[in-house]
Amino acid sequence: AQTVTQSQPEMSVQEAETVTLSCTYDTSESDYYLFWYKQPPSRQMILVIRQEAYKQQNATENRFSVNFQKAAKSFSLKISDSQLGDAAMYFCAYRSARGGADGLTFGKGTHLIIQP
Amino acid sequence: DAGVTQSPTHLIKTRGQHVTLRCSPISGHKSVSWYQQVLGQGPQFIFQYYEKEERGRGNFPDRFSARQFPNYSSELNVNALLLGDSALYLCASSLGLAGRANTGELFFGEGSRLTVL
Repeated sequence: AQTVTQSQPEMSVQEAETVTLSCTYDTSESDYYLFWYKQPPSRQMILVIRQEAYKQQNATENRFSVNFQKAAKSFSLKISDSQLGDAAMYFCAYRSARGGADGLTFGKGTHLIIQP
Repeated sequence: DAGVTQSPTHLIKTRGQHVTLRCSPISGHKSVSWYQQVLGQGPQFIFQYYEKEERGRGNFPDRFSARQFPNYSSELNVNALLLGDSALYLCASSLGLAGRANTGELFFGEGSRLTVL
């Protein structure tokens, strides 16, 4: 079974600075997808960024980028120019690409605090 | 366009009771998934339905069941409620199942907060 580990229960960053959230995962599969989801106090999970394991290039979405290290099974999220609206729980998630319905496997989350 | 809608948003039940949670997917999405999120934890996969058939099931007891209707909306049922069933229940919809050419990106609703006393 796949596992996802987020080792930082809480991170704090000053507004406008850069922060990196860590995620490691364990799988025996070679083809999969990785995601970062954001869950603000409103509770709705919002997709931040996705990465296909077969792609070498790290995904980027505006101020959000990932550092995907397939051999190390590491998938960190970098948030540049942090804004107050970035404050939320961030969850790393894994999904197999083998064509099934296994669902997403989530980590326990990192609570990101933005200091004004 | 309306996103994923869930009802009710909050509910309180007592141990042993039954609960039904409802979900309407984004228009055009044929797959609905259910997740349980206990306070302080990440969501855990319960079920995935696609084209009205159960296509995936997580490690949950038989007290949990679900179904998907012809309009692709879905219900999650939990029987014989336990205190440990208190959680946020999230519904997510997607176009289809994840595969080589489809990340199976999920779009989540705001959840139903269940408290069991």
